[in-house]
Amino acid sequence: DAGVIQSPRHEVTEMGQEVTLRCKPISGHNSLFWYRQTMMRGLELLIYFNNNVPIDDSGMPEDRFSAKMPNASFSTLKIQPSEPRDSAVYFCASSPTGAGNSPLHFGNGTRLTVT
Amino acid sequence: DQQVKQNSPSLSVQEGRISILNCDYTNSMFDYFLWYKKYPAEGPTFLISISSIKDKNEDGRFTVFLNKSAKHLSLHIVPSQPGDSAVYFCAAQNFGNEKLTFGTGTRLTIIP
Repeated sequence: DAGVIQSPRHEVTEMGQEVTLRCKPISGHNSLFWYRQTMMRGLELLIYFNNNVPIDDSGMPEDRFSAKMPNASFSTLKIQPSEPRDSAVYFCASSPTGAGNSPLHFGNGTRLTVT
Repeated sequence: DQQVKQNSPSLSVQEGRISILNCDYTNSMFDYFLWYKKYPAEGPTFLISISSIKDKNEDGRFTVFLNKSAKHLSLHIVPSQPGDSAVYFCAAQNFGNEKLTFGTGTRLTIIP
């Protein structure tokens, strides 16, 4: 079990640039989540997918953020254009079932810095 | 609107003593609660959980207590060890809904 794999681990970009974060969930897991960690708000859910379909995107802060899951083994979170306030650690997580009460398995995160 | 609150950003405890981390929630629909542990440069990892039909769940040195009337839960670590130094996140969920709502975390430091 390779775990949830995120890339890149670190991303530094200038304001206005497009940023794409990538995630490979654990094989066989049906649900995928994108979280953002900040000091002030802790871990915030941005969006989650079940069987590749977006279920809840109410946490996506603005239209500048978009997420896709083209297949069961890959998801992207895109920010266009990026702003300094987007600087945070972004985590991807997956879980095996769609019924709830299943602990999430997190990747090691992408630390994004927008200057 | 923070539905899950961890009011202590940090806590220091002597090695061997008990660590108590607290969490409050506001949404009465939450019926499943989890604690996650996070080391620097790693993702959070699941530690222990409790369903609202119970008021206590124990796993080795870790015990979670739930007080539904007060909408409060706590994590007890006994005895505390240096490897327990980490950030601890409380999380809550409605049964049948996969969405996990997290608190802001408490940084626990175990002093040797």
